[in-house]
Amino acid sequence: ETGVTQTPRHLVMGMTNKKSLKCEQHLGHNAMYWYKQSAKKPLELMFVYSLEERVENNSVPSRFSPECPNSSHLFLHLHTLQPEDSALYLCASSQDQDGGTEAFFGQGTRLTVV
Amino acid sequence: LAKTTQPISMDSYEGQEVNITCSHNNIATNDYITWYQQFPSQGPRFIIQGYKTKVTNEVASLFIPADRKSSTLSLPRVSLSDTAVYYCLVGNSGYSTLTFGKGTMLLVSP
Repeated sequence: ETGVTQTPRHLVMGMTNKKSLKCEQHLGHNAMYWYKQSAKKPLELMFVYSLEERVENNSVPSRFSPECPNSSHLFLHLHTLQPEDSALYLCASSQDQDGGTEAFFGQGTRLTVV
Repeated sequence: LAKTTQPISMDSYEGQEVNITCSHNNIATNDYITWYQQFPSQGPRFIIQGYKTKVTNEVASLFIPADRKSSTLSLPRVSLSDTAVYYCLVGNSGYSTLTFGKGTMLLVSP
């Protein structure tokens, strides 16, 4: 248990569906992140939020829409996904973005797009 | 972003010491070096972090030479449960600090 909770753990959705992934942390951290990990590929940093403001958007397609309503919650809204979007989606949080930060990761959501 | 280079894979046996070296030739003055461990279908887990010289905690040691162009993660007496992917990250802010490369797949055999 890392203190970062992701729901759901598994999700199967059709290409026309709309779904949301949820991440929650009560570690008092100010920064939160979304990652995508496809099979046999490195983790790809998708979004970074610091103090609820989006800091980085790593050229992610618009069918992925993040939302950070407060410092404890982070969402990833999904719509009209493609089969190649099937992957493990990981959320992480850290105290801040300064050097020396340690990130805590959730267990991930295994997404399958059919 | 400082680019890192690690071996793709390593093999070891239970009880041995494992050293994984990471090259980061263009590390910046204020960059930290951080190592994470990841098991299949799980999020990475922080192992150790350092800036220079040697750092040791309950699970590993991190050796950083004076020029800081490389670092070595040392795992003492590995067990089967240490089979995982190990990532070396270099950076000084959240975005650059948390950009992962391909990592090193460590396989520990009986």
